Amino acid sequence: GAGVSQSPRYKVAKRGQDVALRCDPISGHVSLFWYQQALGQGPEFLTYFQNEAQLDKSGLPSDRFFAERPEGSVSTLKIQRTQQEDSAVYLCASSFFSGVIYNEQFFGPGTRLTVL
Amino acid sequence: SQQGEEDPQALSIQEGENATMNCSYKTSINNLQWYRQNSGRGLVHLILIRSNEREKHSGRLRVTLDTSKKSSSLLITASRAADTASYFCATAKYSGGGADGLTFGKGTHLIIQP
Repeated sequence: GAGVSQSPRYKVAKRGQDVALRCDPISGHVSLFWYQQALGQGPEFLTYFQNEAQLDKSGLPSDRFFAERPEGSVSTLKIQRTQQEDSAVYLCASSFFSGVIYNEQFFGPGTRLTVL
Repeated sequence: SQQGEEDPQALSIQEGENATMNCSYKTSINNLQWYRQNSGRGLVHLILIRSNEREKHSGRLRVTLDTSKKSSSLLITASRAADTASYFCATAKYSGGGADGLTFGKGTHLIIQP
């Protein structure tokens, strides 16, 4: 079936604008993750959902970042009042949660956000 | 913050040679994973090794894990041009919550010269 999809693939925002990034996980995957990847760096964890519950948001860099997954499927990462330091690739990943055994995360292509 | 450090940061070898990259991490882990990232296919999972395993093979990939030294290595044998990519190690700490976000290193950029 289809993999993880993200939209838009590219987003240019003026500083101070709000943006919303969408993630469609693999159907049936309970777990959903958001990561931020700055240029030349590895991805950094932002937040994690199990179904619609946001179980870990420890990686969100500020209260300008907000994520939701209201029906336990599609997720949206919203960044309010964007700043230049928010420029990065935002990656979404999903995995099938089996309870105990840790499972592979499948990543989407990412949304490249550029804040001018 | 990044958990691990890959070494070297960049590696250039001839096609057909073996490539070895290393990863060190800081905290106790449940498992360690290696991912590959290139512009064509994004971030792709390669192999997972659990904390009670010492070595694992998958095709041309061989991964070792030394939990006493908090380090892992990834060996790619008989390299191909298509192996050109950035390689990241990532660790997961099972906290009992069901799944954990991964903590990635900064990556090794591998270039295979034809």
